[in-house]
Amino acid sequence: DAGVTQSPTHLIKTRGQQVTLRCSPKSGHDTVSWYQQALGQGPQFIFQYYEEEERQRGNFPDRFSGHQFPNYSSELNVNALLLGDSALYLCASSLDPGGRTDTQYFGPGTRLTVL
Amino acid sequence: LAKTTQPISMDSYEGQEVNITCSHNNIATNDYITWYQQFPSQGPRFIIQGYKTKVTNEVASLFIPADRKSSTLSLPRVSLSDTAVYYCLVGPHTGGFKTIFGAGTRLFVKA
Repeated sequence: DAGVTQSPTHLIKTRGQQVTLRCSPKSGHDTVSWYQQALGQGPQFIFQYYEEEERQRGNFPDRFSGHQFPNYSSELNVNALLLGDSALYLCASSLDPGGRTDTQYFGPGTRLTVL
Repeated sequence: LAKTTQPISMDSYEGQEVNITCSHNNIATNDYITWYQQFPSQGPRFIIQGYKTKVTNEVASLFIPADRKSSTLSLPRVSLSDTAVYYCLVGPHTGGFKTIFGAGTRLFVKA
């Protein structure tokens, strides 16, 4: 059973550039959430996608956008990169509640460094 | 939004039982309590989740009192490889903006 996968593993960009990160959810999961984790801190929720739409959003600027595809995979896009965007970006997948009990599982993350 | 309070760090020795307590005074009726383990530069790994009383799996136990305002993660006979950061989360079991990670508890297991 494949878990959550993310690509790329590492990425180096310069200020002002744009970046796209990718995530494939755990088999059977239909909901994808993205988190940003700065060094030494806990993950912070960016947004969550379900049925190809952004369902929830945390306190992040519009420079952060996403997309979910029909196969439930997802992309996180960040425009006009700032030095402060350097972080580990985590993707987590889960099964939409619908009365069932499940939890979210995290991928290994993408380490983004902005120079 | 339910926030959590955990000890910043804990030390233990191999073979000991470790209990990490998390306070969540404003937990909502529909909130679950979930614990994750995270190693450096890796994603959090799900350990255990519960709603009330006691939950046990192959790696840990989770104790939740009747008022649900706190919870305790119990790791039996820790090893060096259990050195990690442990996060207590309170919120919908599927995550989302209501699920807030705190700073976590840094557990250091010594030989």
